Amino acid sequence: AQSVTQLGSHVSVSEGALVLLRCNYSSSVPPYLFWYVQYPNQGLQLLLKYTSAATLVKGINGFEAEFKKSETSFHLTKPSAHMSDAAEYFCAVNGWGAQKLVFGQGTRLTINP
Amino acid sequence: GAGVSQSPSNKVTEKGKDVELRCDPISGHTALYWYRQSLGQGLEFLIYFQGNSAPDKSGLPSDRFSAERTGGSVSTLTIQRTQQEDSAVYLCASSLATSGRIQETQYFGPGTRLLVL
Repeated sequence: AQSVTQLGSHVSVSEGALVLLRCNYSSSVPPYLFWYVQYPNQGLQLLLKYTSAATLVKGINGFEAEFKKSETSFHLTKPSAHMSDAAEYFCAVNGWGAQKLVFGQGTRLTINP
Repeated sequence: GAGVSQSPSNKVTEKGKDVELRCDPISGHTALYWYRQSLGQGLEFLIYFQGNSAPDKSGLPSDRFSAERTGGSVSTLTIQRTQQEDSAVYLCASSLATSGRIQETQYFGPGTRLLVL
């Protein structure tokens, strides 16, 4: 079985500041991990995914995430926040042989000017 | 190319009525998923279709929910005798075939926002 915990339902940062969105997972099989972004009234868009290759994964819009097995974490970061990054972010997991994604509760990111 | 499309984008219905939600996956994608996004439950898996295999219905919350996929392409999610707790955004996703170690990306549609009065 798999589960995801996103720490912080709401994160607020200033424009230009570091963005850090936390995700911890639990999986009984080697995990595959994903970050999706959802803008208002839109579907989910894939930011990046980890599928057992490099542990540091680079995604779109300057985001990256690092898979840390020892910490069971897959935190999302961006060095410098932009106003357009304001959205809801979801961490998700599935594993070898699994198809459905298990999502965290989401983190709403607000960017302050 | 065209992404996943869903219709209608919004649906308001009365308690007890049946509703049908439609999903058109990306051309060539053999896997199709339905998820539900609600305030209380977050994003939940409902059902998964892969080619001609039997669908994985393990996420359907009750027997009022059913889905079919005709011709390996378009899918319809049907909710019978709708209840107020069915109010949510229903998201459809599609991907290339997924099996074993291969984890293809799921591409999501914009969703159907269902409100049951």
